[in-house]
Amino acid sequence: NAGVMQNPRHLVRRRGQEARLRCSPMKGHSHVYWYRQLPEEGLKFMVYLQKENIIDESGMPKERFSAEFPKEGPSILRIQQVVRGDSAAYFCASSPQAGYNEQFFGPGTRLTVL
Amino acid sequence: DQQVKQNSPSLSVQEGRISILNCDYTNSMFDYFLWYKKYPAEGPTFLISISSIKDKNEDGRFTVFLNKSAKHLSLHIVPSQPGDSAVYFCAASKAGANSKLTFGKGITLSVRP
Repeated sequence: NAGVMQNPRHLVRRRGQEARLRCSPMKGHSHVYWYRQLPEEGLKFMVYLQKENIIDESGMPKERFSAEFPKEGPSILRIQQVVRGDSAAYFCASSPQAGYNEQFFGPGTRLTVL
Repeated sequence: DQQVKQNSPSLSVQEGRISILNCDYTNSMFDYFLWYKKYPAEGPTFLISISSIKDKNEDGRFTVFLNKSAKHLSLHIVPSQPGDSAVYFCAASKAGANSKLTFGKGITLSVRP
């Protein structure tokens, strides 16, 4: 019974490069949430997706960040032209249906921008 | 604009005693509250939750209390064990199809043997 999977676990990028973070939800879950945790902070909501749809992207920075959850395959969080301030832990969570309050988190991807 | 506040960054208790972790919120639209536990380099793990229609929920050694009028909740761990040492996050969500969570900054609990 695999949980939420994220890869890579660690990602190092130089300023200006692109970062792609992947999330495979739990089996049977079709709702994915992305959160970012900056050092010494709590997790901050970024985006909520269902299969092929972005439901809420109110927490996403307006530029350089995008997310998708295609019909087949994992959800992808993409950061273009990374800057040092993007260094953080990015967590993905999944739930089985809309309005289901408990979310199940993956281990996170730790992004370091040099 | 911190809508969920965990004002104490850390707590240290003796093994076997009670741990009380506090959380306050400002948004009266929140109607569901959760506690997550997090170890270093891992993702948060769901611990216990409570709906706004209740004032208490218990699961083994863990009990969550909700005081809606004070916009305050607390997590009680009795008895505390060294394995409980972790960061505990309080989170809240609103009613409806979008269950995005608003987190506090977390409390680091240390349980001394």
